[in-house]
Amino acid sequence: ETGVTQSPTHLIKTRGQQVTLRCSSQSGHNTVSWYQQALGQGPQFIFQYYREEENGRGNFPPRFSGLQFPNYSSELNVNALELDDSALYLCASSFRFTGDLNEQFFGPGTRLTVL
Amino acid sequence: GQQVMQIPQYQHVQEGEDFTTYCNSSTTLSNIQWYKQRPGGHPVFLIQLVKSGEVKKQKRLTFQFGEAKKNSSLHITATQTTDVGTYFCAGPSTGNQFYFGTGTSLTVIP
Repeated sequence: ETGVTQSPTHLIKTRGQQVTLRCSSQSGHNTVSWYQQALGQGPQFIFQYYREEENGRGNFPPRFSGLQFPNYSSELNVNALELDDSALYLCASSFRFTGDLNEQFFGPGTRLTVL
Repeated sequence: GQQVMQIPQYQHVQEGEDFTTYCNSSTTLSNIQWYKQRPGGHPVFLIQLVKSGEVKKQKRLTFQFGEAKKNSSLHITATQTTDVGTYFCAGPSTGNQFYFGTGTSLTVIP
């Protein structure tokens, strides 16, 4: 086990609703990244938080937002849900001193279904 | 934008056969990482390569980073049923983004 936890494990929402997903990073890690993984695809980078600030963002609209807290836990918020948002949402924690992301430890993911 | 492609998309092998997946990036990577994702699971870090031409081995797994730092490969010798899963290469991009490859799904037939 990686020590990275996510909640909830499964979630069902309807189109237009808002959702908050949570992640608890591994102890000692200062960076958290969020990914969206559709069925049969590779993880798609949503954004990364480093020391409580967004530090990099993938090709996702502004209705995808996040927070990182002083204890390095994190939230992913998605507003105005669309059917295509149905996916596995993964968070990954890592320790970053300088430079690029190194080894990332993934949580088990939250399976979001939008009806 | 940056693209990271992997071939093949799927590979079925008899247990004991070798397996190779190839990863190609449209841009130069500062480093490349490999992850394994079992069916129903989450990606698990395998290794990171940083230097041009670097080769690293982990038991039956051999990882290579290309001289131009735009491609990489993972070779598994004498596959076992425990090797089943999808193998992803991944690497950082400009603007602190991070890209995963398209993945290669490996099935090992006992």
